Amino acid sequence: DAGITQSPRHKVTETGTPVTLRCHQTENHRYMYWYRQDPGHGLRLIHYSYGVKDTDKGEVSDGYSVSRSKTEDFLLTLESATSSQTSVYFCAIRGDGRPQETQYFGPGTRLLVL
Amino acid sequence: GESVGLHLPTLSVQEGDNSIINCAYSNSASDYFIWYKQESGKGPQFIIDIRSNMDKRQGQRVTVLLNKTVKHLSLQIAATQPGDSAVYFCAEIPGGSYIPTFGRGTSLIVHP
Repeated sequence: DAGITQSPRHKVTETGTPVTLRCHQTENHRYMYWYRQDPGHGLRLIHYSYGVKDTDKGEVSDGYSVSRSKTEDFLLTLESATSSQTSVYFCAIRGDGRPQETQYFGPGTRLLVL
Repeated sequence: GESVGLHLPTLSVQEGDNSIINCAYSNSASDYFIWYKQESGKGPQFIIDIRSNMDKRQGQRVTVLLNKTVKHLSLQIAATQPGDSAVYFCAEIPGGSYIPTFGRGTSLIVHP
């Protein structure tokens, strides 16, 4: 998984509770991404980061926030979880080497919101 | 995993057969393409890539073909093995962008 870990790997939570997912990389890559994966959809981008404290929204950012205080960690927070946020969440990283476009994925976090 | 496989096209083959998985992409400005493999319960794994200035690229047991005229990408797996069973999906990346668009994928089932 290209030096990427995600925690927790599985989580069950209740509607309305805050949830934070962590992505940790050991590759010192500049770019990090959060995706969600749902049946019937391809991977959809939630937020991404292009450096420490530099983040931007993706296609499905509503209800999510992110933070990146260190190169190696990218946190995804669901401020108040809803059942529609039940999904599998993947973190990805991208370096500056060639090819620059290739993203490498972590093992995923399976989140169930009851 | 099991939730990824739902609602996906499925290709069933016998061990030893060659497999061809197809992907139609949407953006004529895409100039870089990637195939990923995702096994049950795991994250997507890079298999092979191709740039738009190429029609074909070969790896170990895998070949990617690109037809820009009809915006079509295919992944060929030679001598398919049970360990190849997974969901395969393509990603397209427009020139100047580093944000991919991912296909929904095809579930490949290899029967021993």
